[in-house]
Amino acid sequence: GIQVEQSPPDLILQEGANSTLRCNFSDSVNNLQWFHQNPWGQLINLFYIPSGTKQNGRLSATTVATERYSLLYISSSQTTDSGVYFCAVATGRRALTFGSGTRLQVQP
Amino acid sequence: KAGVTQTPRYLIKTRGQQVTLSCSPISGHRSVSWYQQTPGQGLQFLFEYFSETQRNKGNFPGRFSGRQFSNSRSEMNVSTLELGDSALYLCASSSGTTTDTQYFGPGTRLTVL
Repeated sequence: GIQVEQSPPDLILQEGANSTLRCNFSDSVNNLQWFHQNPWGQLINLFYIPSGTKQNGRLSATTVATERYSLLYISSSQTTDSGVYFCAVATGRRALTFGSGTRLQVQP
Repeated sequence: KAGVTQTPRYLIKTRGQQVTLSCSPISGHRSVSWYQQTPGQGLQFLFEYFSETQRNKGNFPGRFSGRQFSNSRSEMNVSTLELGDSALYLCASSSGTTTDTQYFGPGTRLTVL
């Protein structure tokens, strides 16, 4: 099946700093989503982005489908941004395959 | 629109028992998928139901089963619980097309003692 690798596995930032999270995948995809998992376990949708660039406030994402990677940018980070960020992809009619996540800790 | 709801939110069972978890999708969504999250294995796909039919299945033993009702609500059942079944179980709903966004519920945290 498709492989999804996320980096870095852990990231510690000071409030106000910027960060870039990366997701590499091993095959062509027709679905790619970024999620933020809150401390209670719920996966919050950030972006549906199988290709192109999107922005939502301090967050933006870019997927370069031909090179099989996606980037999530967090600018001016806040303590509420802490948590685990997951990239998930799907190909064909298959279910989402998740990466192992990036654990982000934003310190005040 | 109300989001995806899951019940119960927390559950404690003992080995050998069985458990049923419930998921109500977003109104109008016809696809419900189930995922298991554990510290060791991460997020893994269990199965997907669309219009009351299982459309996709992950690599889990037959102790894990599910069904979907005509109103799109879904249940998953785990029989003969094992300690390793302790996990966060998440369900996701979508319209059912492969390129559609999936929306996740808050999860059910199952502890097997």
